[in-house]
Amino acid sequence: EIVLTQSPVTLSLSPGEGATLSCWASEELSSDYLAWYQQKPGQVPRLLIYGASSRAPGIPDRFSGSASGTDYTLTISRLEPEDFAVYYCQQYGNSPWTFGQGTRVEIK
Amino acid sequence: EVQLVESGGALVKPGGSLRLSCAASGLTFGRFSFSWVRQAPGKGLEWVAFISGPSTFYTKYADSVKGRFTISRDNAKNSLFLEMNSLRAEDTAVYYCVSSNLYYYYMEVWGNGTTVTVS
Repeated sequence: EIVLTQSPVTLSLSPGEGATLSCWASEELSSDYLAWYQQKPGQVPRLLIYGASSRAPGIPDRFSGSASGTDYTLTISRLEPEDFAVYYCQQYGNSPWTFGQGTRVEIK
Repeated sequence: EVQLVESGGALVKPGGSLRLSCAASGLTFGRFSFSWVRQAPGKGLEWVAFISGPSTFYTKYADSVKGRFTISRDNAKNSLFLEMNSLRAEDTAVYYCVSSNLYYYYMEVWGNGTTVTVS
């Protein structure tokens, strides 16, 4: 099973600041089959990024994803008030599909 | 607009059984694969089961549910199911029905979830 480790656990930032979230895979992923999801309190998760760097339809371009080996990064260029949420990475290249434990982005 | 609506969640005793359903609309059901993903109270996301499409189905399960849960689909009724047996307290969670495309299994559209409580 591929283990995904996200860091940091919590990120405290102010609106307008940039955010960098990391997701490390315990082994190489097939074809960068990694996705990022956003979940706000009391809401359903929402797909942000798939294929490590492709934005899902309707996702603002302040969200971007990148990959380097087994390290994956979600970058939010300038935090809007609605971006404060929990973010999960997920690999879908090797069964069982697995999620990271999540990074909470909170208002400082 | 694609909609996935789960039902069937309930309070059940340990060792009991439950069948979850997911009704899909706004998509050509047979052209999608599906998963069930769960989230225990205050915890993160856990993938549970997957079923491919369109006609030759294969299934995959998380180790935590293998042998106890069965995923199935009825393309004629645009419906997805999760049969859950030998339920344990640790199966308590919100269960989400999620669609993916046929070839790339990222979780594209999520239902609102149905709550299963084992106690």
